[in-house]
Amino acid sequence: DVKVTQSSRYLVKRTGEKVFLECVQDMDHENMFWYRQDPGLGLRLIYFSYDVKMKEKGDIPEGYSVSREKKERFSLILESASTNQTSMYLCASSSVRMENEQFFGPGTRLTVL
Amino acid sequence: AQSVSQHNHHVILSEAASLELGCNYSYGGTVNLFWYVQYPGQHLQLLLKYFSGDPLVKGIKGFEAEFIKSKFSFNLRKPSVQWSDTAEYFCAVNTGNTPLVFGKGTRLSVIA
Repeated sequence: DVKVTQSSRYLVKRTGEKVFLECVQDMDHENMFWYRQDPGLGLRLIYFSYDVKMKEKGDIPEGYSVSREKKERFSLILESASTNQTSMYLCASSSVRMENEQFFGPGTRLTVL
Repeated sequence: AQSVSQHNHHVILSEAASLELGCNYSYGGTVNLFWYVQYPGQHLQLLLKYFSGDPLVKGIKGFEAEFIKSKFSFNLRKPSVQWSDTAEYFCAVNTGNTPLVFGKGTRLSVIA
């Protein structure tokens, strides 16, 4: 079974803090994604990566950055957390060999005070 | 840019009622279509997918969806819902290896 794990289920941070959200997948997938999920807005793509050290902006990259130093790990960074970044963050991975079906992690619910 | 519309924000059904959730997408070329489900407190998981071939796709737990190219639609159906189908349902689309574009989701509440 594909497994996508995220470092924290719940996180509480203060405005201005630097926040790291980690995601690890164990199926050698090429593609990794970060979304945020908000009620009534569905899933919105923040950043994605098709390969190590490669990153592409999604629909809402402002205020975020990412890092992919190893194939299995994709980190989302909030450089200076703000209250409007309070949300559920979902990581996903997929393989071109599996027709791009995305597998999701459990999510990190981040609250910024 | 692609977009996905899910017509219903919240649907409430009694057990054993039939379900149809609407999904329309904007892209006119070849698309891959997905329905994901998120049960309360759980991961998003794939319900079914369409890439090519038979436009009627069967998924897990008795769900099916029909791809109608002329209508740019991929509606999700289930003949008889159960209380355990209470969840949020997301339609998604991509082309080739592009990221998925998700609809805003439909919350389904099934009451006894």
